Amino acid sequence: GAVVSQHPSWVICKSGTSVKIECRSLDFQATTMFWYRQFPKQSLMLMATSNEGSKATYEQGVEKDKFLINHASLTLSTLTVTSAHPEDSSFYICSASPVLGEQYFGPGTRLTVT
Amino acid sequence: GDSVTQMEGPVTLSEEAFLTINCTYTATGYPSLFWYVQYPGEGLQLLLKATKADDKGSNKGFEATYRKETTSFHLEKGSVQVSDSAVYFCALLRYNAGNMLTFGGGTRLMVKP
Repeated sequence: GAVVSQHPSWVICKSGTSVKIECRSLDFQATTMFWYRQFPKQSLMLMATSNEGSKATYEQGVEKDKFLINHASLTLSTLTVTSAHPEDSSFYICSASPVLGEQYFGPGTRLTVT
Repeated sequence: GDSVTQMEGPVTLSEEAFLTINCTYTATGYPSLFWYVQYPGEGLQLLLKATKADDKGSNKGFEATYRKETTSFHLEKGSVQVSDSAVYFCALLRYNAGNMLTFGGGTRLMVKP
C-alpha cells in the first residue's frame, strides 16, 4: 500500500517550452502533497506544499509563476515548469501525505531542458 | 530552525562489514525521526522511523535508536550487502511545522564485493 506514482519518469524539452509533471497517490487520499527538487549528489530541496483545493505554499526563493502547482483532487497534484530553461534541469520528486506525520515519495521525474 | 546533520560520504565498505552512518539533529520539542534510502535514479523509500525518545526503528537489518540526550539517530547494520549501495537520508518532522520533513545532506554508501 501507500504507492505514489509520477509521470513522466523522464522528459526532455526545448528551452522556452512548458512541461507538466503529474503526481498521483494510487491507493490512498492525500490531503497534502509536497514537491522537491534534487540536484545531482545533493539532498532534497522543498519547493512547495500543496493542499487539495487551495493554493500552494512556496518556499522562499521558489518562483511561483515559473513552477505552477495544482492540487485538484485528493489523489493528483501537478507541477508545471513554465518557459523552461537549462538551469531548470533537475530531478523533481513529489510526496503525498494521507495523515499528519506520514509522507510517501514518488519515484521522481528527471527533466532535461536543451 | 530545524536542521539535520549527517556524516559526509561516500562511505565505502566491503561486503559483510559493519555500517554506521551518523545523524544528529537540532529541533525544538519532540520531532519524529526517519531514515530514507534512495537507489540510483529512484525516489526515496522509507527505511525506518522512530517517533519518541529511546524508540528503536528497524527494517531489513538496519537499526536506529532515537537518542534525545545526544540528539542523534545513527543508522547501523551488522553486515552490509552490495545491494545496500545507495544514498541514505536522515530526516526529522515536527508535527506543528506543517508536516514538513527536514532532510540531512545524504550519505552515499558503496559496498564492494
